[in-house]
Amino acid sequence: EDQVTQSPEALRLQEGESSSLNCSYTVSGLRGLFWYRQDPGKGPEFLFTLYSAGEEKEKERLKATLTKKESFLHITAPKPEDSATYLCAVQAGETSGSRLTFGEGTQLTVNP
Amino acid sequence: NAGVTQTPKFRILKIGQSMTLQCTQDMNHNYMYWYRQDPGMGLKLIYYSVGAGITDKGEVPNGYNVSRSTTEDFPLRLELAAPSQTSVYFCASSYGTGFSYTFGSGTRLTVV
Repeated sequence: EDQVTQSPEALRLQEGESSSLNCSYTVSGLRGLFWYRQDPGKGPEFLFTLYSAGEEKEKERLKATLTKKESFLHITAPKPEDSATYLCAVQAGETSGSRLTFGEGTQLTVNP
Repeated sequence: NAGVTQTPKFRILKIGQSMTLQCTQDMNHNYMYWYRQDPGMGLKLIYYSVGAGITDKGEVPNGYNVSRSTTEDFPLRLELAAPSQTSVYFCASSYGTGFSYTFGSGTRLTVV
């Protein structure tokens, strides 16, 4: 059974204080690891897909990395508008329908 | 280009009532999904479809039914609503394996 665990559950940062969110996963044949951002009252919004260990992707203040067991979402010099819940999900080669298994998310608050 | 559209946005049901949550996408995606999101519990897959006429159960299908008569539409039917079905429901679509999901804005359902 595919499993995704995100930590911490909640993170409070001051504006400009860099940090990282963790996503640990157990899957049989990873096809992709996905990061989404979710604002209150809205659907998740796609950020990154990582396909293989060692891969990195960047977008503005966010950088996602992938190893064989976990992924990190690094946030550099965050701003209050980066406040959101960040969701990690995996897509395994063994599952049909290209289903995603999601973690429970990390709720990030950036104070000005 | 509307993406994934869900209706209604909010609904209150009485125990035992039935309703259909509507989902339509205009991106010509073959794959469509229904998830529910409970506070602190992440997204759980209810049903999914890999194309018109094909549906399959996800992680938490009990109490729900789906149909997929066209590529664009994937309605979710709740029969005999129960308080345990109080949740936020998200519809999503994708091209398939390795591709990200596009989510709708969600339906907040309360069963009283």
